[in-house]
Amino acid sequence: QSVLTQPPSVSGTPGQRVTISCSGSNFNIASNYVYWYQQLPGTAPKLLISRNNQRPSGVPGRFSGSKSGTSASLAISGLRSEDEADYYCAAWDDSLSGVVFGGGTKLTVL
Amino acid sequence: EVQLVESGGGLVKPGGSLRLSCAASGITFSSVSMNWVRQAPGRGLEWVSSISSSTSYIYYADSVKGRFTISRDNAKNSLYLQMNSLRAEDTAVYYCASGTTDVLFEYWGQGTLVTVSS
Repeated sequence: QSVLTQPPSVSGTPGQRVTISCSGSNFNIASNYVYWYQQLPGTAPKLLISRNNQRPSGVPGRFSGSKSGTSASLAISGLRSEDEADYYCAAWDDSLSGVVFGGGTKLTVL
Repeated sequence: EVQLVESGGGLVKPGGSLRLSCAASGITFSSVSMNWVRQAPGRGLEWVSSISSSTSYIYYADSVKGRFTISRDNAKNSLYLQMNSLRAEDTAVYYCASGTTDVLFEYWGQGTLVTVSS
């Protein structure tokens, strides 16, 4: 049972817009930055969104992040086949004094 | 180009020990925090431990507290994880990841597999 809650899977067709939610608490999402990571099949995770909504250099503008209260979301617009991957949210948790991850969401591009 | 290269993984019996290493290049190692994150086969990511740039702050997940020890050698640009009293549930790919005060887990290594089995 992960501290941050994500849907196990989402899907969409090429060109569509999909969102992945991440639900937490006042100890993590509400009081700290949220980060999103993309893990392509068989590879190491990669930082996708930093500090709630900042895209690192090289990350396409199709990816965006937002946060409100105890929840955060990752939006992917103009869906492409190469976006098929697992996506994880993460945040520092003040009560645990550690980092917590969501359980991960598998994105399927139909 | 930032490179983080883990090593030291392998097969170990329950109750045994293993020491993982992570060699960093392309970053000012002494200025970044370092972390270990693991992923059990077919499962999600789990944070294991973090150490600040000057080793002033060290944190562990409850699942490894008292058994694992994180350390670093800034002169050698290296991060370590000493794992003792290993259990089957510690079986995972272990990633090292660098971070800053602004960015959590900015760069990742390719991972090293630890298998705990008799």
